[in-house]
Amino acid sequence: EIVLTQSPGTLSLSPGETAALSCRASQYVSSSFLAWYQQKPGQAPRLLIYGASTRATGIPDRFSGSGSGTDFTLTISGLEPEDFALYFCHQYGPTPRTFGQGTKVEIK
Amino acid sequence: EVQLVQSGVEVKKPGESLKISCKGSGYSFTSYWIGWVRQRPGKGPEWMGIIYPDDSDTRYSPSFQGHVTITADKSIDTAYLQWSSLKASDTAMYYCARQLRAVATAHDAFHIWGQGTMVTVTS
Repeated sequence: EIVLTQSPGTLSLSPGETAALSCRASQYVSSSFLAWYQQKPGQAPRLLIYGASTRATGIPDRFSGSGSGTDFTLTISGLEPEDFALYFCHQYGPTPRTFGQGTKVEIK
Repeated sequence: EVQLVQSGVEVKKPGESLKISCKGSGYSFTSYWIGWVRQRPGKGPEWMGIIYPDDSDTRYSPSFQGHVTITADKSIDTAYLQWSSLKASDTAMYYCARQLRAVATAHDAFHIWGQGTMVTVTS
């Protein structure tokens, strides 16, 4: 099973700042099979990025994904108030597909 | 509008059986894989398995195989997750989610999510 480790656990930032969230895999993950989701309290996750770097429909361009192999990054450039939430990475290659444990982006 | 609508809150006792549902609408139900995801309070999501409703091809996570059963009834555009004998450790929110693209591959991100079904197992 591929274990995804996200860091940091919590990121405290102010609106307008840039957030860089890390997702490290225990083994190689094809870039085609790496996604990022946002989750707010009481809501289902929302797909932000798939294929490591492709934004899903309707996702603002301040969200960007990068990386390959075992190291992937979600960058949020210029945090808006609605961006403070929980973020998960997800690999959908080998079964079982797995998720990271999440990074919380909170208001400083 | 494309959406998945899940069945409501469940409170059950250990050892009881349960079947929760996920009804798709606004798209061709048989053309997209649907998965189930468990999320315990304060934890990250866990991928349980997926099903292709057109032919019921199903893949399970080893962590869940043998404890849950994923099925689909394409005549009523509905997927199901069921347990024959619940445990307290099954207490969680369960989401169904549709994959992003209408392709034959089972490897895709989850794009459309249901609202979740909270299952509580307590004696």
